[in-house]
Amino acid sequence: DSGVTQTPKHLITATGQRVTLRCSPRSGDLSVYWYQQSLDQGLQFLIQYYNGEERAKGNILERFSAQQFPDLHSELNLSSLELGDSALYFCASSVEGPATQYFGPGTRLLVL
Amino acid sequence: GQSLEQPSEVTAVEGAIVQINCTYQTSGFYGLSWYQQHDGGAPTFLSYNGLDGLEETGRFSSFLSRSDSYGYLLLQELQMKDSASYFCAVRGRSGVCKYIFGTGTRLKVLA
Repeated sequence: DSGVTQTPKHLITATGQRVTLRCSPRSGDLSVYWYQQSLDQGLQFLIQYYNGEERAKGNILERFSAQQFPDLHSELNLSSLELGDSALYFCASSVEGPATQYFGPGTRLLVL
Repeated sequence: GQSLEQPSEVTAVEGAIVQINCTYQTSGFYGLSWYQQHDGGAPTFLSYNGLDGLEETGRFSSFLSRSDSYGYLLLQELQMKDSASYFCAVRGRSGVCKYIFGTGTRLKVLA
C-alpha cells in the first residue's frame, strides 16, 4: 500500500459524458501527478500540481483539467469523453525534488 | 523529441540474472528511475540513479551512463514474482513533458 488513494476504482460511462477522478496523496506529500495508461501502453504524464498550484503540464488534452485543493487532494476532470479516453488513470504523489513517485491503485475508465 | 526506449519483452528462468536496458533521447534530466508494474497493478518505485554509476538495492541494481545515454536495471536471483513490466523514467529539466516513462519491458520468469 503506497498511501495514495484513488476513487472510484472503476468507472463506466458513455461518450460525451463528463467524469471526475479523485486522488488523495500520501501524508506530507505536496506534489500530485496524473498519468494515463492505455492498454499495453506506457505511462503518459498529464499534469502535476504542487501545493495547490500547477507545476508542470504534459500532453493533456484541452477536454481534461485538474486541480489540487487546500487539503492537497486532487481531482482530474475529463469531459466530452471519447472511446479513446478509455484507460487506467493513475495518480502519484511525492515530495518535490526526489525522483520517487508513489502511485495510487488507479481508476479504470471505460467509455462506451 | 524526448523518448526512452526499452526492449518490449525479456524471458529468463528462475534463479537467473537479467538486464533490462533503457536508451534515451532527452535534452537534459535530473536522473533515471525504474518502476515495476504487475498486471492490473500500480507502478512501484524500484531504484534511482542521480549520478552515473551503479546503485544496488538488494537483488536489484541500476546503472546510468549519461555519456552513453544509457541505463539498465539488473535483476539477480530471479523469482517468479518478478514477472512484471519494468519502466525506466526520467524527470526532465525542460520541455513540454517533464516526466517521461519508457515504453516498458515485460519480464517473464519461467520455472
